[in-house]
Order: sequence, then C-alpha cells, then structure tokens
Amino acid sequence: EPEVTQTPSHQVTQMGQEVILRCVPISNHLYFYWYRQILGQKVEFLVSFYNNEISEKSEIFDDQFSVERPDGSNFTLKIRSTKLEDSAMYFCASSDPWDRGKAEAFFGQGTRLTVV
Amino acid sequence: RKEVEQDPGPFNVPEGATVAFNCTYSNSASQSFFWYRQDCRKEPKLLMSVYSSGNEDGRFTAQLNRASQYISLLIRDSKLSDSATYLCVVNLDDNQGGKLIFGQGTELSVKP
Repeated sequence: EPEVTQTPSHQVTQMGQEVILRCVPISNHLYFYWYRQILGQKVEFLVSFYNNEISEKSEIFDDQFSVERPDGSNFTLKIRSTKLEDSAMYFCASSDPWDRGKAEAFFGQGTRLTVV
Repeated sequence: RKEVEQDPGPFNVPEGATVAFNCTYSNSASQSFFWYRQDCRKEPKLLMSVYSSGNEDGRFTAQLNRASQYISLLIRDSKLSDSATYLCVVNLDDNQGGKLIFGQGTELSVKP
C-alpha cells in the first residue's frame, strides 16, 4: 500500500540551528501538507502546498518556516533558527486531487523534533 | 470557543462494551468530517469519513448532525486493539487542499 514517508524519525537540534524535515508524499498525490503536534496537544495545521506554491498557511507558519518541493518526489519543511517551543512531532500528509468529495489526507509517521 | 471540541476522556471500558464519542464544531461552513485514530506517538490514521446520512463500517457507526454541528462515533463490541485516541476532524472544503482542523482527541482504553 502506498504511504507517505518521512525522514528522519527523530531530530535533535540546538536552539538557533536550522533543520530540514523531509517527506516523500504518495506518488500520484498533488496536495501536500505539514502539521505539527506538540506533546499532549492537538494536531495543528501549518501549511498546504499545491502546484509548486503555498495554497494556505496558518498563523504558526511564520517567516522562520519555509517549504519546498526540490524535485519530483520530495517535500521539505525548513525551520530557520529553531526555538525551544518548536519541539513537536511534525507530520507530513498528502492527498489525491481526484478523490473528489473525500478530502482525506494520508499522514506520514512523523518526525519528532527536539530543540535543546 | 474551540473550533472542534471533544471530551478528552479517558474512557475506560471492558472488552465487548459499546462506547460513544461526541464532538462539536464551531464553523457552520464546515463541509467534510472525519474520525481519525491515533495510537500513542504515531501518526493519525483515517478511521472513517462521516456523512449526513450516517454511515457504518463494521463495528463503527458515525453520525453527523449539521443543524447541531455535532458528530458522533459509536464503537460496538470493543476490542483491546481499539485502545487509542480518537480524533474528530473537520474540513471547510469538501474537495482537496483544505486544511484539516483537529479536535483534542478522546482517549479510549479497552480493558480485558
């Protein structure tokens, strides 16, 4: 069964450093998303991406965040100058544009980011 | 008011019990509705979409009441493997690209 894959599974970084979280969405999907979940809290939307541009972003997705689709398979989230409060599980997701009426997203297994 | 509100639980039930979860959402423009399941420290996985007419998938039944902005999930004959957090999720779009808005989740623990 096709799946969304994320690397690394766990990333530890020092405050102020830049991190890049990587995702390979399901191959025929065209919508991509990043969500995050701080420990003990709800899953929160960060950004959606379609046709090589951001289609929507949340208030959380400020100037320290950026996304990129550098090639035909990868989708990355970059966090510049990480803060302690960026520590969370980051989930990548993708969805099928032809799956009309369902609007469901498939999630990767997540990258646990720990900022120390 | 929270966009999607759920009772956090935990719900502790014996195997074989029937358990019901409720959820309310604040935005009347919401178009599509889901229940996701999340195991500890894992990704959310779609359990089922929720339709206005109500829908059933094996032991799971989901209901939507648009007038009351209320969604429910009923699990019959609970199994140990049903232990997880159940996430109520809404989307303002009924097609692709819209963001999913998650509730806090309701924790279920099924005991032998």
